[in-house]
Amino acid sequence: EVQLVESGGGLVKPGGSLRLSCAVSGFTFSSHSMHWVRQAPGKGLEWVSSISTSSRYIYYADSVKGRFTISRDNAQNSLYLQMNSLRAEDTAVYYCARTTYCGVDCYLTYFDYWGQGALVTVSS
Amino acid sequence: EIVLTQSPDFQSVTLKEKVTITCRASQSIGSSLHWYQQKPDQSPKLLINYASQSISGVPSRFSGSGSGTDFTLTINSLEAEDAATYYCLQSSILPLTFGGGTKVEIK
Repeated sequence: EVQLVESGGGLVKPGGSLRLSCAVSGFTFSSHSMHWVRQAPGKGLEWVSSISTSSRYIYYADSVKGRFTISRDNAQNSLYLQMNSLRAEDTAVYYCARTTYCGVDCYLTYFDYWGQGALVTVSS
Repeated sequence: EIVLTQSPDFQSVTLKEKVTITCRASQSIGSSLHWYQQKPDQSPKLLINYASQSISGVPSRFSGSGSGTDFTLTINSLEAEDAATYYCLQSSILPLTFGGGTKVEIK
């Protein structure tokens, strides 16, 4: 069974940092590009960042570029999101999502599995 | 950035009624358009990929159509469990973008 489990969410002050993790199981992690998607309270979905299978291709939304860093450890079956210089507008549930298999370093396709989400609250 | 405009924002529908949700892209995206269902306090669930391809395990009352800039998600004969918010996603170019969502309520 495919499982994605996020952890590391919590309350942080503006300007602070947080690191989210996504532990996966039930599939060959190194064969799938991965993404982070967030959802502010009561709002819609927003793509945050993508990382290809080999980490060769990494992309960010303009809203987080320069502050967030995506990474992965294929040996540990884990995806990460380091979030620095956090702002109130970063408050959201953060989901990790798997890209359906589409080849090595392919990332432009749909998400077929999502985690349950981790809540990040940025407030003083 | 490709903007996806969903309509309507909200729809109140009776059971067994047909529901149609549209998603319009600001430029042509071929068939790189996917539909998700999200229920309260749950993560999104894939319903349709590449505009019209059905997903294993998704009820056959859900179908998709369209290409280029105009896409439609249809729910034939709405059931109570279909109360949710529906989103479209384009994977044609980065940044990946979602539509604003359509909330479907049971009347």
